Amino acid sequence: DVKVTQSSRYLVKRTGEKVFLECVQDMDHENMFWYRQDPGLGLRLIYFSYDVKMKEKGDIPEGYSVSREKKERFSLILESASTNQTSMYLCASSSPGDGYTFGSGTRLTVV
Amino acid sequence: DAKTTQPTSMDCAEGRAANLPCNHSTISGNEYVYWYRQIHSQGPQYIIHGLKNNETNEMASLIITEDRKSSTLILPHATLRDTAVYYCIVRATNAGGTSYGKLTFGQGTILTVHP
Repeated sequence: DVKVTQSSRYLVKRTGEKVFLECVQDMDHENMFWYRQDPGLGLRLIYFSYDVKMKEKGDIPEGYSVSREKKERFSLILESASTNQTSMYLCASSSPGDGYTFGSGTRLTVV
Repeated sequence: DAKTTQPTSMDCAEGRAANLPCNHSTISGNEYVYWYRQIHSQGPQYIIHGLKNNETNEMASLIITEDRKSSTLILPHATLRDTAVYYCIVRATNAGGTSYGKLTFGQGTILTVHP
């Protein structure tokens, strides 16, 4: 069964910490995406990548960066976590012509 | 990408067909219609997609009107486990005809299946 795996299901971090959210896919997909989901705001795209070492900003990139050193891994980085980054973070991957496959999500709380 | 309009919520009796409408009146010729659903506390799950012909898979059927301005997702025999938020999304294709690019999620339709 194809999978997108996010490293943590729940995470609690302190304000100002550097936070890494990891996502790995085993489908050899070219495209990978990071979304966050908040009540009343739905899913919003943070960053995406169409290839290794390539990244593009989504709709809300401020306060985030990403890294894609290998095709199967796409990392989301919060350089200095803030309380307004408390959210559910969802990673997804796809190939052209395919639907997205999402991970189970990481619920991040910044205190 | 074209904007979609869906009802905020719908109810369905278990065992009956659930018909979820979506309006995408500004859809372009190169845009596919995608449907996803999200069960509480899980990531969204791909259901089905189509360009202009009706599509069916093991989960659902997708009916797209001839003018492509609207579509209906049909769950033929809804179960309690189909209770979820259903998202209708349009997504562009590239010159080669394959879909690409980011998905933009709206608010979706909350489908509640009752016993």
